[in-house]
This record gives sequence, C-alpha cells and structure tokens, in this order.
Amino acid sequence: DGGITQSPKYLFRKEGQNVTLSCEQNLNHDAMYWYRQDPGQGLRLIYYSQIVNDFQKGDIAEGYSVSREKKESFPLTVTSAQKNPTAFYLCASSVKTGNTEAFFGQGTRLTVV
Amino acid sequence: AQSVTQLGSHVSVSEGALVLLRCNYSSSVPPYLFWYVQYPNQGLQLLLKYTTGATLVKGINGFEAEFKKSETSFHLTKPSAHMSDAAEYFCAVTRTGGFKTIFGAGTRLFVKA
Repeated sequence: DGGITQSPKYLFRKEGQNVTLSCEQNLNHDAMYWYRQDPGQGLRLIYYSQIVNDFQKGDIAEGYSVSREKKESFPLTVTSAQKNPTAFYLCASSVKTGNTEAFFGQGTRLTVV
Repeated sequence: AQSVTQLGSHVSVSEGALVLLRCNYSSSVPPYLFWYVQYPNQGLQLLLKYTTGATLVKGINGFEAEFKKSETSFHLTKPSAHMSDAAEYFCAVTRTGGFKTIFGAGTRLFVKA
C-alpha cells in the first residue's frame, strides 16, 4: 500500500539532545512537508521541499533542520536550539506544492524529559 | 497574506443532528480550499477540496462544503451526525500558484448519544 510512514510514533528526548524524526513516502510525490501541531494552534509549517536536494523554511524553522537527499525521504532534526520541542510532529507529501491535497503520516509525539 | 479562521474551537451536536463547522478565509487571489479530519493521535485525512468549478463540493463520509466567494466562507456540513464523526476538523487554504497551505486552528466536534 502506498503511503507515508513516520517513525517512531513516540519519542522522548533529554534536554540538550538532538533527535531525528523519520518520514518516508512511497507515493512518488515531489513535495514533502513537516508540520508541528500544538493544542489550539492548528498546524504550523516548519520546512517544506518541492524537489530533491531543495527545501525552504516555513513559518517556524528556528531550531529545526531537514535534508532531502532522496525523493522518498525527508527527515527532520530537532536540535537543542529548539526551546520548546514537546509537540506532535506531522509529515506530509503531495504531488506538487500548492493546490493538491496533502497526504499525512500518523505523526510522531516528541516529549522532552 | 492568507489566513484561515475557524469559528468555534469546540462544537457539540446530538447524534442525528445537523453538523455545521464554520470556516472563513482571506486571500488576495482565488484560493484553493480544503477540509481535513483528524482522529486522536493520527495524521490528517482529506475530507473534500475546492479548486475550481462547482461551488458545492461533496466529500467522504457524507460531508459537503460550499464555497461562497462573497462571504469568503467554506463551511462544512453534514445533515445527520454519527458518533464516528467525533474528531477534529481543519480548514485549509492555498492561494492560486502558491506553495504553502495555511491551516486553521481546528474545531473539535463532539457527538452526543
């Protein structure tokens, strides 16, 4: 079945550590996205990528980094510079950016302990 | 700049009653509009979308929405609520030719037996 796989589902991080969230898609989509979800705030865009080896900052990119070395993969690293990393992180992909619907993964819940 | 406003962070209806979830948007150019549904600890799933053409859009699970340009609205409705409709619903907008989708803060729907 085609889809988007995020792993792990739950992740615990100690303060000061970097952690990497995985996102893989087999939909052959060009565009991929990372969103952060906090209660009552909807989804906020962290980074997006329209094509391999290219990505752009979203609205809340500070403290995060990404790479897009393969079409199928778009990992997100939450660095120690992110002051409040505890949140639900959602990865998505679409055929292209803009007017096509996004397909979402099941999310990763990150908790700083 | 685009924005999306969902009126009411929580809506409660009785089973069998009409569901109405409100969404207003602002966009300087014709928008593409989406409704997504999210069940607890899961990703988002597309309910329906408006791009061009007919302003009344039918989606999955009996939901529909009407694009009203004069009112800058895209309200989601369902004639008869079912217990399984209890979830969080997100309205989203992308401007024509744009690369970013803006999500509303979400409306949590409760269905009472």
